[in-house]
Amino acid sequence: AQKITQTQPGMFVQEKEAVTLDCTYDTSDQSYGLFWYKQPSSGEMIFLIYQGSYDEQNATEGRYSLNFQKARKSANLVISASQLGDSAMYFCAMREGGSSYKLIFGSGTRLLVRP
Amino acid sequence: ETGVTQSPTHLIKTRGQQVTLRCSSQSGHNTVSWYQQALGQGPQFIFQYYREEENGRGNFPPRFSGLQFPNYSSELNVNALELDDSALYLCASSLAPTGQSYEQYFGPGTRLTVT
Repeated sequence: AQKITQTQPGMFVQEKEAVTLDCTYDTSDQSYGLFWYKQPSSGEMIFLIYQGSYDEQNATEGRYSLNFQKARKSANLVISASQLGDSAMYFCAMREGGSSYKLIFGSGTRLLVRP
Repeated sequence: ETGVTQSPTHLIKTRGQQVTLRCSSQSGHNTVSWYQQALGQGPQFIFQYYREEENGRGNFPPRFSGLQFPNYSSELNVNALELDDSALYLCASSLAPTGQSYEQYFGPGTRLTVT
């Protein structure tokens, strides 16, 4: 069964430094997608970045990059130059193959950016 | 903002009652998914509607039911409320798959408290 594991319940980072949030996944599908979402205290899930299982290059979106290591089944999120507004919960999620939009989420990592 | 709206924002119900939550999807999106997020956990997939038909269901009992209307807005109905139904309910809209990301746009959620 598909599963997402985030082993860091909480992380601290100094403002302007980079931080890596860990995510490992388990699936038997050959085709899948990996997502990272940010959830501020307001509750809305904000899409950050996507990586397809067949994408050869790591995805990047502004200050966000996804370190995709397929053989290790890991999809870590790297946030460069952290800002105070980055303080939030971060969720890694996986989409099953085919046309399903079902996302399987991890338990999340709470990131706190220190000034 | 994603253009996905949900109502109401907060709701308090008594055990055994019934509740209806509403979601208005982003313009042009024909797929709506509903997720339940208990406190301190990642969202869990309840079900998805595509062009007014259920298109997948998670591990939730039948007292969780839904509807999608011709304008692609959606309702989540929960009968015989239980204390464990207290959670943030998120809806997410998306296009039918035309690209690789299958990105889902989430609404701000409805916080349901069952007493």
